[in-house]
Amino acid sequence: GENVEQHPSTLSVQEGDSAVIKCTYSDSASNYFPWYKQELGKGPQLIIDIRSNVGEKKDQRIAVTLNKTAKHFSLHITETQPEDSAVYFCAASKTDKLIFGTGTRLQVFP
Amino acid sequence: DARVTQTPRDKVTEMGQEVTMRCQPILGHNTVFWYRQTMMQGLELLAYFRNRAPLDDSGMPKDRFSAEMPDATLATLKIQPSEPRDSAVYFCASGFGGLETQYFGPGTRLLVL
Repeated sequence: GENVEQHPSTLSVQEGDSAVIKCTYSDSASNYFPWYKQELGKGPQLIIDIRSNVGEKKDQRIAVTLNKTAKHFSLHITETQPEDSAVYFCAASKTDKLIFGTGTRLQVFP
Repeated sequence: DARVTQTPRDKVTEMGQEVTMRCQPILGHNTVFWYRQTMMQGLELLAYFRNRAPLDDSGMPKDRFSAEMPDATLATLKIQPSEPRDSAVYFCASGFGGLETQYFGPGTRLLVL
């Protein structure tokens, strides 16, 4: 079955710097890759997603890139702000079932 | 602002007791997912339904867990009897169709003593 690895597990950046989180997946048939942000005490919230027919997608300060050949995808956050501090999860899917990475705890210091 | 709602938000119970968690999916969504989140295992899919029919419950311990959708606006996850190892946060998510966005509820934090 699908396996998703996520790195790093923790990431600390200064406010205004960029943050990059990387994920790799094992099943080449996976074709949907969402990213979720989870704040303390809340459920995961979708922040951006990408499908396998697209190489990059941007939404303001957030972008996701997908390399199907290498089977990896990345989340890029530019101009980080303290409110970006949270746990971020990547996921991969070829059906309804999302397989999640283990999460990255991002801390943005003022 | 449509949201998935879950009740209760917190539950503390003793080992052996029955626990029922409820979820109201976003109106119009036809797919409902149950996840469990722990520090050790991360986010695990327990079961999911489409149009109220169970499609996959392979992630769920069958001897003590059961999931149902009595109607399109209510999904339930029941644990009987509960055990300390069931302590976790249980999330419900809903979506429409396959490969579509899943919207998560706020979760039920369960502690079994």
